[in-house]
Amino acid sequence: AQKITQTQPGMFVQEKEAVTLDCTYDTSDQSYGLFWYKQPSSGEMIFLIYQGSYDEQNATEGRYSLNFQKARKSANLVISASQLGDSAMYFCAMRGLNTNAGKSTFGDGTTLTVKP
Amino acid sequence: NAGVMQNPRHLVRRRGQEARLRCSPMKGHSHVYWYRQLPEEGLKFMVYLQKENIIDESGMPKERFSAEFPKEGPSILRIQQVVRGDSAAYFCASSPDRRQSQSPGSAFFGQGTRLTVV
Repeated sequence: AQKITQTQPGMFVQEKEAVTLDCTYDTSDQSYGLFWYKQPSSGEMIFLIYQGSYDEQNATEGRYSLNFQKARKSANLVISASQLGDSAMYFCAMRGLNTNAGKSTFGDGTTLTVKP
Repeated sequence: NAGVMQNPRHLVRRRGQEARLRCSPMKGHSHVYWYRQLPEEGLKFMVYLQKENIIDESGMPKERFSAEFPKEGPSILRIQQVVRGDSAAYFCASSPDRRQSQSPGSAFFGQGTRLTVV
């Protein structure tokens, strides 16, 4: 069984500052992937960044980086230089890589509000 | 290079009616996954299908819900005799044959169908 915990229901950040969204996970899988998605008010799910459990380096995609601490089972998302358009719901998710691609477990999300 | 297509985007049904949600996977993708998102919650897995086969339906309610992915055409999530508690956003994701790709982003989501039961 897999579980994702996002402990911050809502977060505020000033425009141009960095923000960290927390995610902890639990799994019995030896090999797994961790994902972050953005869901704006329009409702679509936008894939942001991925980290494999055996990747030694933290993943980065533009202004997004994933702070992966395997021993602590955490996969926090860091957004640098926040923009007003970053205001959205953010979901952390995981799936076991030995299982079929696509069946993922999601956290309950964090609502990020970027203040001008 | 179309992504995962879902239709309709919005669907309103009266209690007791049937709802049919469609999902066309990305070109070349043969795996389809359905998720449900209740208000203020994350996505919850419902069912995983390959062409003409249901692989995992562990997240599907036992009654009124069914899913198919025929050889030709889109995947269909069908909800019979809808109730107000079925009101949610339903998302579809697709991925290629697992042998072809372990790409981490291989589960691409459609834009979702928002079902409202009145």
